[in-house]
Amino acid sequence: EAQVTQNPRYLITVTGKKLTVTCSQNMNHEYMSWYRQDPGLGLRQIYYSMNVEVTDKGDVPEGYKVSRKEKRNFPLILESPSPNQTSLYFCASKRAFGEKLFFGSGTQLSVL
Amino acid sequence: ILNVEQSPQSLHVQEGDSTNFTCSFPSSNFYALHWYRWETAKSPEALFVMTLNGDEKKKGRISATLNTKEGYSYLYIKGSQPEDSATYLCAFKNLEGGATNKLIFGTGTLLAVQP
Repeated sequence: EAQVTQNPRYLITVTGKKLTVTCSQNMNHEYMSWYRQDPGLGLRQIYYSMNVEVTDKGDVPEGYKVSRKEKRNFPLILESPSPNQTSLYFCASKRAFGEKLFFGSGTQLSVL
Repeated sequence: ILNVEQSPQSLHVQEGDSTNFTCSFPSSNFYALHWYRWETAKSPEALFVMTLNGDEKKKGRISATLNTKEGYSYLYIKGSQPEDSATYLCAFKNLEGGATNKLIFGTGTLLAVQP
């Protein structure tokens, strides 16, 4: 089944404790992206990747890192999480010349 | 700053009612307009991607229209069913976003259909 898999679904952590949210897609998509969803705001892009070893900042990249060493994986790293990073996170992917985004099931992160 | 606005914020209808919501976006340098359906605890799923002024798309009881000159899109649901309950997101891409694949998302319209 074609899908974007995110893990974990739920995560509670404390300020300053490094964490990684994994994202993997099995559709051979070139483009992958991370978004965060906060109440009253639309999905905001954190980082994106056009292909392997090509990543770029989105609208809200501060406090996040990403890597794209393989086509299928695009992990989101929070080196030192802070409470303002409490949010619902979505990973998404698509073909390079396609339009439609395929989303993962989301990760609800709480930073205490 | 590019802004995408959706209205209403939320909508409660009875089963069988037809309904529609609006997405407004900047009319200049248009590239594409997306609609996504997001059910609670699930992933957003693409409904439509529209690129041409006057485009009309249909998927079962759901349809959408696009007016790029005035910067709006309508999503219609005919004969709403409880399973249509979800948040409907629209997202806009301009010509600059065409190169970077950047989508600007609205805040969504939350639809609740009462049986």
